[in-house]
Amino acid sequence: QQQVKQSPQSLIVQKGGISIINCAYENTAFDYFPWYQQFPGKGPALLIAIRPDVSEKKEGRFTISFNKSAKQFSLHIMDSQPGDSATYFCAASPGNTGNQFYFGTGTSLTVIP
Amino acid sequence: ETGVTQSPTHLIKTRGQQVTLRCSSQSGHNTVSWYQQALGQGPQFIFQYYREEENGRGNFPPRFSGLQFPNYSSELNVNALELDDSALYLCASSPGTRVNEQFFGPGTRLTVL
Repeated sequence: QQQVKQSPQSLIVQKGGISIINCAYENTAFDYFPWYQQFPGKGPALLIAIRPDVSEKKEGRFTISFNKSAKQFSLHIMDSQPGDSATYFCAASPGNTGNQFYFGTGTSLTVIP
Repeated sequence: ETGVTQSPTHLIKTRGQQVTLRCSSQSGHNTVSWYQQALGQGPQFIFQYYREEENGRGNFPPRFSGLQFPNYSSELNVNALELDDSALYLCASSPGTRVNEQFFGPGTRLTVL
């Protein structure tokens, strides 16, 4: 079954707007939660990541919000730009082995100029 | 410092054939993980190799096999290809078995006819 559930499947945002992508998980052994950005024909590239000991992490225009009790985390892209148009994947890794990622199904983001 | 490279870029095979995909890890990385990314889906973990030994395997049948060489490069072999094996195959390398510092290659697009 899908260990990490991601929504929405697709998202269209105006330039300058805020893009929000949500993920949820069940496995409490997960202790590392990255977000990856993937452009067509390319492999996923790490965007930002968080551990469950903090509720928020910000890097430039990208922010992860983490709710440990609800087992949810989200990516916020502030001042969205056309160059942000890509597919975004959330993922989680278990602390006991840490040797694999469980990915969400992806969100296709389109930022309209 | 070179990144993760994969070859070939694209490959077309017919059902029942065998295929070998190759991956060169990033300099200084001794661990390679392989993922299968079906169209419109997130990557699915196939297996990880650490110091030439398999270190974890996802829910893939034995016809998916791998090798890691002393220089830490790796091969993914798939026997008896099926139509559903059509996907982007991603290789990722990391300096250890924890995937926190994992970097993905651009992938090999496999089409099975």
